[in-house]
Amino acid sequence: TQLLEQSPQFLSIQEGENLTVYCNSSSVFSSLQWYRQEPGEGPVLLVTVVTGGEVKKLKRLTFQFGDARKDSSLHITAAQPGDTGLYLCAGRRTGAGSYQLTFGKGTKLSVIP
Amino acid sequence: DSGVTQTPKHLITATGQRVTLRCSPRSGDLSVYWYQQSLDQGLQFLIQYYNGEERAKGNILERFSAQQFPDLHSELNLSSLELGDSALYFCASSAQETYNSPLHFGNGTRLTVT
Repeated sequence: TQLLEQSPQFLSIQEGENLTVYCNSSSVFSSLQWYRQEPGEGPVLLVTVVTGGEVKKLKRLTFQFGDARKDSSLHITAAQPGDTGLYLCAGRRTGAGSYQLTFGKGTKLSVIP
Repeated sequence: DSGVTQTPKHLITATGQRVTLRCSPRSGDLSVYWYQQSLDQGLQFLIQYYNGEERAKGNILERFSAQQFPDLHSELNLSSLELGDSALYFCASSAQETYNSPLHFGNGTRLTVT
């Protein structure tokens, strides 16, 4: 069983469209991070959210942490081909006793020009 | 450039063999994490070291072992290799052990077992 479930697994959209990807769990997290990974490279951090209900914006990307700190979403406005990549959410569980970062399987996004 | 260096970039070897993957963390980072990434399982946490000490263990097989040296570089040893061990292996480092510290990933070692 995956601790963090991401949906959808794959998403193919036209340039200029909006999209939302989801990261859900039954566990509570101290923090959630979103990473983007491009082919042949390691994941790169986009944002960290730590407070329930927190919303962070990074240009056209909006990240939200659920009130109960069990889920998160990433919304992209007016997607561009440069947004193409694998989006991974990752969390550290409350009281887990370690700083292990657990990843979801990711959402593979393709933005078609 | 994340500042994390992994070598080699590619490795092709036969079943039953043993390989060593090497990671140099970002300058000043004390924590090193190893992850395995495959198409069906995603990024799976293997093991974490902090300043030379093992801190957390994930789904690491007994055939796999790791260590972090006094100069903070780390090595992941994979032995008695099986076809299913073919995957991307990532090393990541972080400066601190806090709940919101980011991980900085290297570009991975692609292991192919034939």
